[in-house]
Amino acid sequence: LAKTTQPISMDSYEGQEVNITCSHNNIATNDYITWYQQFPSQGPRFIIQGYKTKVTNEVASLFIPADRKSSTLSLPRVSLSDTAVYYCLVGDDYGQNFVFGPGTRLSVLP
Amino acid sequence: KAGVTQTPRYLIKTRGQQVTLSCSPISGHRSVSWYQQTPGQGLQFLFEYFSETQRNKGNFPGRFSGRQFSNSRSEMNVSTLELGDSALYLCASSLVGQPYNSPLHFGNGTRLTVT
Repeated sequence: LAKTTQPISMDSYEGQEVNITCSHNNIATNDYITWYQQFPSQGPRFIIQGYKTKVTNEVASLFIPADRKSSTLSLPRVSLSDTAVYYCLVGDDYGQNFVFGPGTRLSVLP
Repeated sequence: KAGVTQTPRYLIKTRGQQVTLSCSPISGHRSVSWYQQTPGQGLQFLFEYFSETQRNKGNFPGRFSGRQFSNSRSEMNVSTLELGDSALYLCASSLVGQPYNSPLHFGNGTRLTVT
């Protein structure tokens, strides 16, 4: 499991674009990069997954540079309902070291 | 398609008792994994089942156990409850069990309080 580093918290205003970067310097060849969103007292929700370059879906974009040592989750025009914790996961297997990091707590202000 | 269902939603138990939590995965998903989430330790992996077999296990004591049935539904059991077992227990299912190229779909968890 590749160790990941994310900012602990971020603030934004409604309507802005938010970019959350995750560092994963020891990513392995087979590793995918997956982002989850979690609201209080709910399970994490899958947002987006990628392997390289750029992936886009209806809610977010994921940018992965050529060296894959980092990735950036981009949330366009955030709203108050995007206030949540965002987790970046990198790896390809379960095991005793399979741990979600502390994530990034995003607060969207009016 | 129905999501992952966990029951019960809330549970209050006394120290020393045991508890069983249930998880119904998304139809067609064969892998079920369990997690404990606390404010201090974050989200920690307990174990993963695939086709009724435990394939992976996290770093938890033997008081934590689980099983998976032929219809992929899963249960986890905690015996001899301790105060520190109070947590949100989450279950997730995925198609093939690789957590990264087969995304996890989580239920909303069971909130266990041990008094």
